[in-house]
This record gives sequence, structure tokens and C-alpha cells, in this order.
Amino acid sequence: DIQMTQSPSSVSASVGDRVTITCRASQGINNWLAWYQQKPGKAPKLLIYATSSLQSGVPSRFSGSGSGTDFTLTITSLQPEDFATYYCQQASSFPRTFGLGTKLEIK
Amino acid sequence: QLQLQESGPGLVKPSETLSLTCTVSGGSISSSIYYWGWIRQPPGKGLEWIGSIYYSGGTYNNPSLKSRVTISVDTSKNQFSLKLSSVTAADTAVYHCARRASSSGYAFDIWGQGTMVTVSS
Repeated sequence: DIQMTQSPSSVSASVGDRVTITCRASQGINNWLAWYQQKPGKAPKLLIYATSSLQSGVPSRFSGSGSGTDFTLTITSLQPEDFATYYCQQASSFPRTFGLGTKLEIK
Repeated sequence: QLQLQESGPGLVKPSETLSLTCTVSGGSISSSIYYWGWIRQPPGKGLEWIGSIYYSGGTYNNPSLKSRVTISVDTSKNQFSLKLSSVTAADTAVYHCARRASSSGYAFDIWGQGTMVTVSS
């Protein structure tokens, strides 16, 4: 199985800040990397797919980058509604695997 | 727009079989470009992919769940289902169904709200 390692596990930031979350795959995943946002009691929401493609309806302050085994999610100019938990997921091979999540908290 | 809704018992006894159904509305489950999946999340923990199914019945399951998982599809009802046998307390989780789209990089682009299943006697 491909292991997905996210860092940090939690981060505190303020409205207007820029935040970067990292995800590392245990082997190459051909850029089939997705990012999700999850708020308490809600289903995950797809933000980014194929490393850097923005899902329809997602604000442009969210962006993804990376290649090979190292990937990042960047949120510029944090808004109050962005405080949530973020997960990466590899869509390259079975079984599909997720990172353990990064909780973005208000400073 | 397309919506997914999970249904099934919220309480299952240990050693019994968990059975859930996902009903797809606002679109056809028989589209050739989608797979349909189950993902679960134990309380306070991360996400675990359980398995996925194509409308024709082809499936991929997570080997970590060994042979306990059966995923099936009923195109006439626009539904797909999950059965997880021999459950234990470790199977207590919120169970989500979701759509996997090739047009979205094989990510899960639409999710059901999830249903909490507790395994307890």
C-alpha cells in the first residue's frame, strides 16, 4: 500500500495568513493526488485533484503543487470558513489511501 | 444536481453483518465514467477507503478488510450497497458513499453526508 504522510498534523493561523500543508507519498503516484477539506460533522469536500486542478466552485485562494512523491496545498489569504481539517489522498493505485489529516485552527 | 444518500441500521451487534445502501439521485449510476465507493471514518480519526464498484459490477476492495467486504450495485434502483461481515467495535465509524470521477483525476468528487454505525451489543 502507498503510505501518505501529511505535515503538520495541526497548524494555527490567522485570517489573512498564507498556509502550506505538505503530503508525501511512500512511492511515486504520477501526480494523482487530491486534497479534501472536512468540517466537523460534514462530509469531505474535494478541493484539488490531479495535484493542481481546482475543483469547480472552489475559491482560487486554494492551490496545489508538487510532483513525484512530494505535494503541497497552499491557502492564501485565509478566510474564517477555511478553518477545517485537510486530507490528501492518492488516486494512483489500489487501495486508495489518505493522509491522517491536518487540522487548521484559528490563532 | 447529483446527490448521494446513505441508509441502513445505526447499530449492529458484534459478529453480525453491517449492511448499508447508497441511493443516487439526480443522475444515473450507470454512467461509464464513474466508479462508486465507500469510505469510512472512525470517531475522531482519519478516512479509510473501503472499496469501489463500477455500474457493471466490477469491484476493488481494500485488502485490509480481507474478505469481509461485499459491494454490489442495483442499476434498476440507482443504488449500490455495502456489506461488512463479522463486525467488531473497530468497525464503528461514519460510513460515506461517494462518486469517483475520471474527470476529477479519479478523486471522490461527490459525497453522501455519511451515516454513523455503532457496533455494540
